[in-house]
Amino acid sequence: KAGVTQTPRYLIKTRGQQVTLSCSPISGHRSVSWYQQTPGQGLQFLFEYFSETQRNKGNFPGRFSGRQFSNSRSEMNVSTLELGDSALYLCASSPVAGGQGEQYFGPGTRLTVT
Amino acid sequence: SQKIEQNSEALNIQEGKTATLTCNYTNYSPAYLQWYRQDPGRGPVFLLLIRENEKEKRKERLKVTFDTTLKQSLFHITASQPADSATYLCALEGTGGFKTIFGAGTRLFVKA
Repeated sequence: KAGVTQTPRYLIKTRGQQVTLSCSPISGHRSVSWYQQTPGQGLQFLFEYFSETQRNKGNFPGRFSGRQFSNSRSEMNVSTLELGDSALYLCASSPVAGGQGEQYFGPGTRLTVT
Repeated sequence: SQKIEQNSEALNIQEGKTATLTCNYTNYSPAYLQWYRQDPGRGPVFLLLIRENEKEKRKERLKVTFDTTLKQSLFHITASQPADSATYLCALEGTGGFKTIFGAGTRLFVKA
């Protein structure tokens, strides 16, 4: 089975711009979660989608949003980028919802905001 | 607020020895606890999951214990190898309203 894929792998944006990141889960996995990883804060949960519905959301401003499509692929959008949004954004898929199983992470998208 | 603490310092051990990593948590009653391995520039890789009603779980050279009274999990790697050098992350999950909380991770260095 192919693993979780994320595109693009690297991105450089300017403050104030917006960005969309994409995640394709493992075939058959209906749960997709997004995380932000920075050296100072570690891995922080952004949100989880299951069957196109957002099940939970972390403590991030409304500039961070996401969605999931019927084929379970997910996108994450960040609007009005700030310097502090520079981070590794990781997507993880799971065969079950509610965090009751292991998560399979993608390689991440490295976002740099200048 | 919910908090997870892992060994804050890097752990240096000799090849062949057992590495023991600690995960302590407060203000949380997790239903599941997971351990992941992360190599530089890569996403975390799932290693083991242990449920609140389980005391111990093993997988090859790996062993995890879960003490809900002490609010602590220990992660052991026996017969450690240089290839085990990585950052190990502990993650907690509750039931109802899925929200995974990760620890900051412990960097493990295994010397040949």
